[in-house]
Amino acid sequence: DAGVTQSPTHLIKTRGQQVTLRCSPKSGHDTVSWYQQALGQGPQFIFQYYEEEERQRGNFPDRFSGHQFPNYSSELNVNALLLGDSALYLCASSFAGYEQYFGPGTRLTVT
Amino acid sequence: AQTVTQSQPEMSVQEAETVTLSCTYDTSESDYYLFWYKQPPSRQMILVIRQEAYKQQNATENRFSVNFQKAAKSFSLKISDSQLGDAAMYFCAYRSSLSNFGNEKLTFGTGTRLTIIP
Repeated sequence: DAGVTQSPTHLIKTRGQQVTLRCSPKSGHDTVSWYQQALGQGPQFIFQYYEEEERQRGNFPDRFSGHQFPNYSSELNVNALLLGDSALYLCASSFAGYEQYFGPGTRLTVT
Repeated sequence: AQTVTQSQPEMSVQEAETVTLSCTYDTSESDYYLFWYKQPPSRQMILVIRQEAYKQQNATENRFSVNFQKAAKSFSLKISDSQLGDAAMYFCAYRSSLSNFGNEKLTFGTGTRLTIIP
C-alpha cells in the first residue's frame, strides 16, 4: 500500500518564477492538505482540498493556489516566488476526518 | 485562534532512560484533538500518538504515553526506554473537533529536537 507521495523531491527556482508541486494521497484517502515548513519551524497550514474544492485556508497570500483532481491527487502552485518561500512543503492526506498521513516533502529553494 | 507552544527547543536523554517533552496550547473550544508527530532527518512526519479531549484517560502507544491535563491546557509526551531510533524533531499539534470533512487544519508547535545519547 503506497503512502503519500510527493514530487519533485528538491527544486531550485529564481525569484519571480512560478512553481508547481505535486502530491498523490495514500490509497483510500480523499482529502489533501498542504503545509509549509520553514527551516527550524513547525509546519504552517496553507490549505486543504476535499471533493476538488478548497475547504479551508491558512494565512497565505493569493500567490499560493491549488487544485485537486478527480483521482484525489493535488497540486500546489506558487506564483511570483520570493526568497521567503524557500521551505519544505509537506502534503498530507486523510479520509473521513481521521489522522493525516504526511508525505516526505518537497524542498524548495528560491535564489 | 488556537496556539501551540513547545518551550523546550532541545532535549537529550541516555539510551534506555525516560524523557518527557512538554507542550501547552491555548483554545476556547471544549472539544478537540491533540497529536504528537515525530520528524526524523528523513523529513517524513510520522504520527506518534493521538488524544481526544473528551477522553479523560491518557493515550498510550507502546513506549509512548501522554499526560493530558485539560484544565491546565497541557499535553506532554513521555518516552520510556529511549532508543537510538527515537532521535528526531517532535511536534505537538492541535486540531479542532468542530472540523468536518475538508476542514481538518493542524496547528503545530515549533518542535523539540530530541537527542539520544548511547
